[in-house]
Amino acid sequence: DIQMTQSPSSMSASLGDRVTITCRASQDIGNYLSWFQQKPGKSPRRMIYGATNLAAGVPSRFSGSRSGSDYSLTISSLESEDMAIYYCLQSIQYPRTFGGGTKLELK
Amino acid sequence: EVLLQQSGAELVRPGSSVKISCKASGYTFTDYYMHWVKQRPEQGLVWIGRINPANGNTVYAEKFKSKATLTADKSSNTAYMQLSSLTSEDTATYFCTRSSWDYWGQGVMVTVSS
Repeated sequence: DIQMTQSPSSMSASLGDRVTITCRASQDIGNYLSWFQQKPGKSPRRMIYGATNLAAGVPSRFSGSRSGSDYSLTISSLESEDMAIYYCLQSIQYPRTFGGGTKLELK
Repeated sequence: EVLLQQSGAELVRPGSSVKISCKASGYTFTDYYMHWVKQRPEQGLVWIGRINPANGNTVYAEKFKSKATLTADKSSNTAYMQLSSLTSEDTATYFCTRSSWDYWGQGVMVTVSS
């Protein structure tokens, strides 16, 4: 199985900060990487697909990037509505595997 | 508008089974696989498996091969997941999501308790 190691597991940041969350894949997954946002009591929401593509309706302050086996989700200027848990997902191989999640809180 | 409407919350006894549903609308049901995801309280997301509604072909995560059974009814555009031999470890919210991962059901909370 492909392991997705996500870091940090939690972080606190201030409004307006630039925030980066990372997932490292244990095997080559190409660009088959998505990022999801989940708020309490809600279903996950796809934010990024294909490692770098912004999903429909997602604010442009969100972006995705790749450097080798490291995939990053960046929020350029943090807003209060961005407080949530973020997960990565690899979709190149079965079983599909998620990262452990990053809880983003307001400092 | 794409919608995945899941069935309601379930309270079930240990050792029993439960079948939850996911009714799709707003797109061609057979054009997308349907995936199922488990989330225990305050825990992360775990992939259970997926079904191809066009032909019923399924793929499961190893740990769910004897726990979950995925089916789909093309006539009603509904995917189902049956969970068997329930224990407290199965208490969780279960989501369905189509294979583009862009639309998700609202989740079904399954509580296993005597």
